[in-house]
Amino acid sequence: GNSVTQMEGPVTLSEEAFLTINCTYTATGYPSLFWYVQYPGEGLQLLLKATKADDKGSNKGFEATYRKETTSFHLEKGSVQVSDSAVYFCALIPQGGSEKLVFGKGTKLTVNP
Amino acid sequence: NAGVTQTPKFQVLKTGQSMTLQCAQDMNHNSMYWYRQDPGMGLRLIYYSASEGTTDKGEVPNGYNVSRLNKREFSLRLESAAPSQTSVYFCASSARWRVSYEQYFGPGTRLTVT
Repeated sequence: GNSVTQMEGPVTLSEEAFLTINCTYTATGYPSLFWYVQYPGEGLQLLLKATKADDKGSNKGFEATYRKETTSFHLEKGSVQVSDSAVYFCALIPQGGSEKLVFGKGTKLTVNP
Repeated sequence: NAGVTQTPKFQVLKTGQSMTLQCAQDMNHNSMYWYRQDPGMGLRLIYYSASEGTTDKGEVPNGYNVSRLNKREFSLRLESAAPSQTSVYFCASSARWRVSYEQYFGPGTRLTVT
């Protein structure tokens, strides 16, 4: 079946540090891939997405590249801020039109000043 | 533009009580979803509705019922609440015609069943 595995947290970084949150997936064909972010007490917001292999999604300084060969979609940011503290979810929608998002378990990031 | 709204924000129920969680969207989306979020489990799909008048089970539908009242509204009902249903519930919607089916989420309802 379809699944998403992301690195377990929590992750604690100092401000301006480099961030990587690993995400790998299992799915047939070419799923669409997403990163969602959940700030404390809020719902999820789409952070970035990629819908085909080698696409790079980017937003707010975050980037992730769709790597079909390694079935990965790792999230990176060069210099994190305190305001980036949140829970990050990797997710996919399988190829073929299914509308059901499959989520990873989430990674909590805390950035200290 | 409110996006996806949910009511109530918080609710405490006793075991066996019933309640309905309300969700509405103003983005003219066809598809709507209900998820629950539990610590260490990520989000799990309870039910979804691809269009008005249709609903389908997700990963964890037991103990829940849904109604797609019209294009805007999608409610989730707990007929006889159990402590295992203590969770944060999120409603989401998406425009089915978009290839990437990006979903927009509401702020959530935090439910405690004692």
